[in-house]
Amino acid sequence: QQQVKQSPQSLIVQKGGISIINCAYENTAFDYFPWYQQFPGKGPALLIAIRPDVSEKKEGRFTISFNKSAKQFSLHIMDSQPGDSATYFCAASRGSNYQLIWGAGTKLIIKP
Amino acid sequence: GAVVSQHPSWVICKSGTSVKIECRSLDFQATTMFWYRQFPKQSLMLMATSNEGSKATYEQGVEKDKFLINHASLTLSTLTVTSAHPEDSSFYICSASGTMNREQFFGPGTRLTVL
Repeated sequence: QQQVKQSPQSLIVQKGGISIINCAYENTAFDYFPWYQQFPGKGPALLIAIRPDVSEKKEGRFTISFNKSAKQFSLHIMDSQPGDSATYFCAASRGSNYQLIWGAGTKLIIKP
Repeated sequence: GAVVSQHPSWVICKSGTSVKIECRSLDFQATTMFWYRQFPKQSLMLMATSNEGSKATYEQGVEKDKFLINHASLTLSTLTVTSAHPEDSSFYICSASGTMNREQFFGPGTRLTVL
């Protein structure tokens, strides 16, 4: 019940296209859902995060869509660029516990 | 923005030696710090959580005597890998969280290779 399931494992998108990565969770106590971007040999960097009181959050080309009833959330990258090629992780945490439960990661490749 | 540094960025050591990795929050006070381990093409595995001035809480399966964590100040945490062996070779990443929200800010990671 602590798991966060992420799909797909890898994704290839043409430059200018929309990249979509999905995550699903079971624990309804989760109330914080961040997405991280990680380049090879680097630590993860927070991209965008959402709480379950909103269904969508947009920051620049990055949008999180959140479906509380389905217990799913997704990351959309609009106008994908080669520089977006990286591994993306979704995560979740609950309450005052700052520990993040991580998805398995999605390796995104944007073809020029 | 919040910056977390790690030192060293990479280290090679002989089997049986100990290695210390430092994690510093440069522009904020980190009440909680986390240490992760990451294998190639895998997700982050939480090793331990530490609060300033308290003993670290280790995840199940992580040997506390092998991975010593010290969070002596609000800006510094250290991870010491004692008597390192080749199977300890990995990418170690720390993160820090302040009091304002739940954001975790990650360091750049330390690549440990044990020969």
